[in-house]
Amino acid sequence: LAKTTQPISMDSYEGQEVNITCSHNNIATNDYITWYQQFPSQGPRFIIQGYKTKVTNEVASLFIPADRKSSTLSLPRVSLSDTAVYYCLVGDGGGYNKLIFGAGTRLAVHP
Amino acid sequence: DAGVIQSPRHEVTEMGQEVTLRCKPISGHDYLFWYRQTMMRGLELLIYFNNNVPIDDSGMPEDRFSAKMPNASFSTLKIQPSEPRDSAVYFCASSPTDSYYGYTFGSGTRLTVV
Repeated sequence: LAKTTQPISMDSYEGQEVNITCSHNNIATNDYITWYQQFPSQGPRFIIQGYKTKVTNEVASLFIPADRKSSTLSLPRVSLSDTAVYYCLVGDGGGYNKLIFGAGTRLAVHP
Repeated sequence: DAGVIQSPRHEVTEMGQEVTLRCKPISGHDYLFWYRQTMMRGLELLIYFNNNVPIDDSGMPEDRFSAKMPNASFSTLKIQPSEPRDSAVYFCASSPTDSYYGYTFGSGTRLTVV
């Protein structure tokens, strides 16, 4: 299984850019990198997904270096409502298959 | 699209009782997943289905747990008999084949076994 390592928690302030880095040294050639967001009492919500280089959508950007052993989720100008747990996931190399969630990063945005 | 629908939202039951959790996936999604979340163990994958067929149930904790998917629009997770350590939030998620890990999760069922 391709395991991921990310910080347990982070703090930020409203209006700042937040970067959460995830390490996945054993990522397989055909694995995608996916990030989810989870608010209390809700199920995880898909944020962004990428394979290499940079991906951007209306919510976040995902930066993936050439060796793909890490990735960085970038949240521009966070607000209080971005306080949540953020999960980085990679597939287990078996093609389309099950997602294994790690502990995630608990982001707290302060006024 | 109403999303993934789970019922009930909350369930409180006594130890030893049978509990059935229900899930309606998004129409057209042919993958369905059951997860369990606790503070101690985080999000754990219990079982997943493809086209109504169970593919991997290695995460099911023990024989007291069973899951079925009789058709493309309905799945159940049953615990019999329930124990206090089964208390958790149970999530159902679904995904189309070409989504490459982009799952849609339901709101979960919070189960409390007393």
